[in-house]
Amino acid sequence: DAKTTQPPSMDCAEGRAANLPCNHSTISGNEYVYWYRQIHSQGPQYIIHGLKNNETNEMASLIITEDRKSSTLILPHATLRDTAVYYCIVTGAGSYQLTFGKGTKLSVIP
Amino acid sequence: NAGVTQTPKFRILKIGQSMTLQCTQDMNHNYMYWYRQDPGMGLKLIYYSVGAGITDKGEVPNGYNVSRSTTEDFPLRLELAAPSQTSVYFCASSYGGTGGYEQYFGPGTRLTVT
Repeated sequence: DAKTTQPPSMDCAEGRAANLPCNHSTISGNEYVYWYRQIHSQGPQYIIHGLKNNETNEMASLIITEDRKSSTLILPHATLRDTAVYYCIVTGAGSYQLTFGKGTKLSVIP
Repeated sequence: NAGVTQTPKFRILKIGQSMTLQCTQDMNHNYMYWYRQDPGMGLKLIYYSVGAGITDKGEVPNGYNVSRSTTEDFPLRLELAAPSQTSVYFCASSYGGTGGYEQYFGPGTRLTVT
């Protein structure tokens, strides 16, 4: 599975959009980009995933660059409840394992 | 649906004791997983199962055993507990593998070995 690079921490004002970047320059053609988050010490929560196209669901949007070497998770209107560690994970269709790095600690500030 | 449930929530073991961490899912998922998370670190896969009767090792299987006799249950057994097994354990399940399917996680079991 390709390695990912994320900033260790970010701040975002409440009500503003939170844009979390992820670099995955060694991603291969059949590998997906997944985003999960972990609030405090709870179990990780799935947010969104994509292969090539941009994706949107009720929680977030995922923007993948055309060369697929980086992506951005967008939380359109961050709330205090979005304070969490966000993990960007790249994994292939033949893998069962999600490899969690240290992620980005997002702090939403009132 | 309750999703993925884990018991117990907390447990303190003495060195050399054994225990079983329970995990149950009610989503009829074929795939189930056990992860551990050490303080300040990401999750690491211990074992996984792609269906009843089928299990395989993940990244850190030493000191653990699993079984999968039903679709719903995937218990994790710790034999001869060691301080290095102090961690938070998460169980997860998914409809399919990582090729497009999301994993649903339980609330975790916080284990301390002293």
